[in-house]
Amino acid sequence: EIVLTQSPATLSLSPGERATLSCRASQSVRNYLAWYQQKPGQAPRLLIYDASNRATGIPPRFSGSGSGTDFTLTISSLEPEDFAVYYCQQRYNWPPLTFGEGTKVEIK
Amino acid sequence: QVQLVESGGGVVQPGRSLRLSCAASGFTFSTSAMYWVRQAPGKGLEWVAFIPYDGTNRYYADSVKGRFTISRENSQNTLFLQMNSLRAEDTAVYYCARDRLGVVADMDVWGRGTTVTVSS
Repeated sequence: EIVLTQSPATLSLSPGERATLSCRASQSVRNYLAWYQQKPGQAPRLLIYDASNRATGIPPRFSGSGSGTDFTLTISSLEPEDFAVYYCQQRYNWPPLTFGEGTKVEIK
Repeated sequence: QVQLVESGGGVVQPGRSLRLSCAASGFTFSTSAMYWVRQAPGKGLEWVAFIPYDGTNRYYADSVKGRFTISRENSQNTLFLQMNSLRAEDTAVYYCARDRLGVVADMDVWGRGTTVTVSS
């Protein structure tokens, strides 16, 4: 089973700042990695697929990069609605499909 | 619009059964692969089960294998999760989700979830 480790667990930033979230895989997942955003009481929302492709309707301040075992989600300038929990998920080696434990982006 | 709506959650005693449903609309359900994903209170996301568009080759997380069954009725645009021998650790919000590509990929449409609580 591929384990995804996200860091940091919590990121405290102010609106307008840049957020950099990390996801590390226990073995290569090539570029088969997705990122999701989840706000309290809501379902997750797909942000990025295949490491660097924005899903439909996702604003360009969200970008993804990486391949193999190290991936990054960057939010170039945080908007108030971006404070949420972010999860990565791999589909390269399954079953099982696996998610990271999440990174919470909170208002500083 | 594209929508998934789960139902069937509730409070159930350990060892009992529950059947969840997920009604799809706004897209061609019969050609879409589907998932169930759950989230225990205060925890992260856990993949539970996958079913391709035609219902063959279903896959399950080890934590539910042999107890849960994913199925679908394409004529009714509905996905199901039959949950037997429920345990306290199955307590979670259960989401259905659509596969983005139609094979195993990622999940581009999610329902709002239905809550299952296993407690005596």
